[in-house]
Amino acid sequence: DTEVTQTPKHLVMGMTNKKSLKCEQHMGHRAMYWYKQKAKKPPELMFVYSYEKLSINESVPSRFSPECPNSSLLNLHLHALQPEDSALYLCASSQDPAGSQFEKLFFGSGTQLSVL
Amino acid sequence: KNEVEQSPQNLTAQEGEFITINCSYSVGISALHWLQQHPGGGIVSLFMLSSGKKKHGRLIATINIQEKHSSLHITASHPRDSAVYICAVGSQTSGSRLTFGEGTQLTVNP
Repeated sequence: DTEVTQTPKHLVMGMTNKKSLKCEQHMGHRAMYWYKQKAKKPPELMFVYSYEKLSINESVPSRFSPECPNSSLLNLHLHALQPEDSALYLCASSQDPAGSQFEKLFFGSGTQLSVL
Repeated sequence: KNEVEQSPQNLTAQEGEFITINCSYSVGISALHWLQQHPGGGIVSLFMLSSGKKKHGRLIATINIQEKHSSLHITASHPRDSAVYICAVGSQTSGSRLTFGEGTQLTVNP
């Protein structure tokens, strides 16, 4: 199984809603990532989990709250989002966080989020 | 000036043509990644290079560390190759933080 599975594929939410994005991989990867991608732009790193611990937070607003309940799962909890947060949210994983710049990244197909 | 620059930004080709996409970077790197993104979002990692050349099917990636330049070649292009191709670089100091190029939109017409 070389897949990273993200759910839901599409999400529409109001600014007062609370929702969660889910990411799952069963490749035994120990690094998991959240990226945000606006249309026609490259992905921007948001968070990195290394061995289930948050290792990088790229100064992301607190309305985005990541969680790594176990080595296979990564969640992104959303609360009080703004319309400018509408984007494609991509999850990725790689084998070994220690040499992560040398590691092939496996991406999910993303969640297209619209905030109204 | 971006640390990672790709050219061209947009490329239209006829089926069967040989295609080259270029990536230049201004920082010292440990590894360079070529990624493919189809409409609808999913990103596929095509290659990770730290030196030399790699080949997979009709795709060839090369890197010249001294010149800080990499190329992605597609031989016998096909409409299914239509996608955005993204170059990303990583370094010892940046660790998990890849620096991405802006991407090249490739359209292959039948």
